[in-house]
Amino acid sequence: AQSVAQPEDQVNVAEGNPLTVKCTYSVSGNPYLFWYVQYPNRGLQFLLKYITGDNLVKGSYGFEAEFNKSQTSFHLKKPSALVSDSALYFCAVLKTGGGNKLTFGTGTQLKVEL
Amino acid sequence: DTAVSQTPKYLVTQMGNDKSIKCEQNLGHDTMYWYKQDSKKFLKIMFSYNNKELIINETVPNRFSPKSPDKAHLNLHINSLELGDSAVYFCASSPFPRGARGETQYFGPGTRLLVL
Repeated sequence: AQSVAQPEDQVNVAEGNPLTVKCTYSVSGNPYLFWYVQYPNRGLQFLLKYITGDNLVKGSYGFEAEFNKSQTSFHLKKPSALVSDSALYFCAVLKTGGGNKLTFGTGTQLKVEL
Repeated sequence: DTAVSQTPKYLVTQMGNDKSIKCEQNLGHDTMYWYKQDSKKFLKIMFSYNNKELIINETVPNRFSPKSPDKAHLNLHINSLELGDSAVYFCASSPFPRGARGETQYFGPGTRLLVL
């Protein structure tokens, strides 16, 4: 069975500082990994995904993620955080075959403070 | 021109009632999904339809019945609502999963259901 783990319930960072939101995964076969963001009382917005190729994936709003096969990780990063980045971030892994099923992590609340 | 839309946005109802949530996508996608987000923000897939055909059914009580009149719509009907059904229900859509392409799922704004 596939799974993702987000070890931190909350991450606090000062505006202007770099941020990292951690994600590790467990899958059989090739991993298809996603990051989504959920703002308060809003739906999930797609940020970026890793399917194959370059280990550094660039996405929306200046976010990027680094796929590390040896550490089975897919951490989300941003060089300079903004207060408006404060939201709930979900890592997910996609199981293909028999329907595309996204399995989500438990989410990490990011709080960016002035 | 919302890509994935859901109605209603909020739904407050009594235990035992029957209610429906509607979802529509204008992205031209073949595949649609229902996810449930509980009070702890945990997200879990419930159903997936591809071009009106059920392809994923994740051990959901049979009080929940998805219906897809066409590939742009996927509705969720819930019978005999229980307190534990209170959650946010998200609809999503994606292109048809063709092999190992990792198609992105795009989510609607969610329907917040409160059962009293």
